[in-house]
Amino acid sequence: EVRLVESGGGLVQPGGSLRLSCAASGFTFSGPWMSWVRQAPGKGLEWVANIKGDGSRTYHVDSVRGRFTVSRDDAKSSLYLQMTGLEAEDTAVYYCAKVGTSENLDYWGQGTLVTVSS
Amino acid sequence: EIVLTQSPGTLSLSPGERATLSCRASQSVGYLTWYQQKPGQAPRLLIYRTSNRATGTPDRFSGSGSGTDFTLTISRLEPEDYAVYYCQRYGGSPLFTFGPGTKVDF
Repeated sequence: EVRLVESGGGLVQPGGSLRLSCAASGFTFSGPWMSWVRQAPGKGLEWVANIKGDGSRTYHVDSVRGRFTVSRDDAKSSLYLQMTGLEAEDTAVYYCAKVGTSENLDYWGQGTLVTVSS
Repeated sequence: EIVLTQSPGTLSLSPGERATLSCRASQSVGYLTWYQQKPGQAPRLLIYRTSNRATGTPDRFSGSGSGTDFTLTISRLEPEDYAVYYCQRYGGSPLFTFGPGTKVDF
């Protein structure tokens, strides 16, 4: 059974930093691309970042590029999102998701809430 | 940037009724994916490559469409189908684009 468990969310002040983690199990982690997707309170879904199976390629949405960095540790079957320069607009539930073979996100974690507020 | 528009924003239907959800792209896209999200839960993959049901998706759900116009149909609503449904496309920038969602409620 595929399982994705996020952690690391919390309350942080504007301008602060946070590192999210996602522990994966139930599949060969080193193979697929992985994603971070966020959802602001009461809002829709927004893709944040992608990372290739071997970590050699990453993509970030324009609004976080230069502030957020996606990475992975295949030996630990873990995905990370390092967030710096956090803004109120980054307040959201952050989901880790596995990229499927058909250009979709086939498995999702339960999410971790990040609140940026003074 | 390709924009996805979903309509209606909210669909109020009774159990047993047919639900038709629309997703329109601002330019022609290859395939579309659909997700279901219930309150307090993560999204769940429902339909991929426009018309293929994901593992565990009941056959009352069907997807269709091409080009810029796509449809998710629920043939007969069950109580567990009340949720928000998002369409999504892949490619370009941003890499994944989601529609704003359609809420199906009673």
